[in-house]
Amino acid sequence: GQNIDQPTEMTATEGAIVQINCTYQTSGFNGLFWYQQHAGEAPTFLSYNVLDGLEEKGRFSSFLSRSKGYSYLLLKELQMKDSASYLCAVRGGDYKLSFGAGTTVTVRA
Amino acid sequence: IAGITQAPTSQILAAGRRMTLRCTQDMRHNAMYWYRQDLGLGLRLIHYSNTAGTTGKGEVPDGYSVSRANTDDFPLTLASAVPSQTSVYFCASSDSPGSADTQYFGPGTRLTVL
Repeated sequence: GQNIDQPTEMTATEGAIVQINCTYQTSGFNGLFWYQQHAGEAPTFLSYNVLDGLEEKGRFSSFLSRSKGYSYLLLKELQMKDSASYLCAVRGGDYKLSFGAGTTVTVRA
Repeated sequence: IAGITQAPTSQILAAGRRMTLRCTQDMRHNAMYWYRQDLGLGLRLIHYSNTAGTTGKGEVPDGYSVSRANTDDFPLTLASAVPSQTSVYFCASSDSPGSADTQYFGPGTRLTVL
């Protein structure tokens, strides 16, 4: 089976940095994805990691350590529009995605 | 249309009724997926199709069926709805199920079974 853990909620101030951690135990590993989901909307793709290290894309960065079963999503220079849920998803050995329950980030002025 | 569309947007259904949720994509993606999203549980895979003419079971397939007659359409049918099937249903697609390919999601259908 798959087990993916991430914090339920985080709050941060506009302009600050927030780091969302994700730990996983899965049957096989073929990549880790981060999605953003605003309330009442569909998830949208943010980042993909399959090798260890940091992937940077503008204000968002994602890190992966396969040996530790660990990833984080770093959101820099937070804006009010970054208030959303952030979903960690692991593609297992069967190439199917398993999702964590999501982390709701609230950005305050 | 561009991307993935789902219909209806929302539906209230009496228990025991049959319901089909529609999903259409125009990206010519090979693979399509159905997920349900429940508070505190995240997205769970119901059924998937790697290519037209084939389907497979996901994590929570009981009570649901799918078909994939062509590349674009992937309907999800609840043969006899039960209250535990109250959820938000998302359809997704990807170009190739076995690559580093991203899944793209439709806008969702909010289903309430009473």
